[in-house]
Amino acid sequence: KQEVTQIPAALSVPEGENLVLNCSFTDSAIYNLQWFRQDPGKGLTSLLLIQSSQREQTSGRLNASLDKSSGRSTLYIAASQPGDSATYLCAVRNRETSGSRLTFGEGTQLTVNP
Amino acid sequence: NAGVMQNPRHLVRRRGQEARLRCSPMKGHSHVYWYRQLPEEGLKFMVYLQKENIIDESGMPKERFSAEFPKEGPSILRIQQVVRGDSAAYFCASSPLSSGIEQYFGPGTRLTVT
Repeated sequence: KQEVTQIPAALSVPEGENLVLNCSFTDSAIYNLQWFRQDPGKGLTSLLLIQSSQREQTSGRLNASLDKSSGRSTLYIAASQPGDSATYLCAVRNRETSGSRLTFGEGTQLTVNP
Repeated sequence: NAGVMQNPRHLVRRRGQEARLRCSPMKGHSHVYWYRQLPEEGLKFMVYLQKENIIDESGMPKERFSAEFPKEGPSILRIQQVVRGDSAAYFCASSPLSSGIEQYFGPGTRLTVT
């Protein structure tokens, strides 16, 4: 059974700092991995999708890496801004259920202080 | 192209009543997924449907919960005889294909059982 863990559970940083969020998963037979952002009381916004054959994806100030063999992914946020404050969720899709479920971590709650 | 739409956004039900949650996928998407987010917990997969078919319902409680995605109209998640433990945010996601493609999430329905 796939399990996804995110560390840290919460993070508070001053504006402008670069930061790294961590995600680990127990079953390396994944199809892809997706990072989401969730604002309080809101839905999920997809940030980056990494296929199992890829090592990283970049979008603006965000960079996500994937090391499938070790079961790890990181989300790097450069030059953080107060508007980045949100909960960041990591989710994996397993290969044998490629058409089905995402398994989510419990998220990292990020606060960027002005 | 409108995103995934869910209604109602907020739903209050007394114990024992029925809750019906609706999800309209993005245009052209024929795959729908339902997830539940209990308070202070991560998102958990419930059910995966294609038009007129339930593909994977392994995450759905065996009793009181049902889901459908008819040929015409939105997908419906139905909870009969609600209990306080059903209070949660219910998210719907859709995708155009079954594999390798991002799931796009709706804003969620927040169910409160009093």
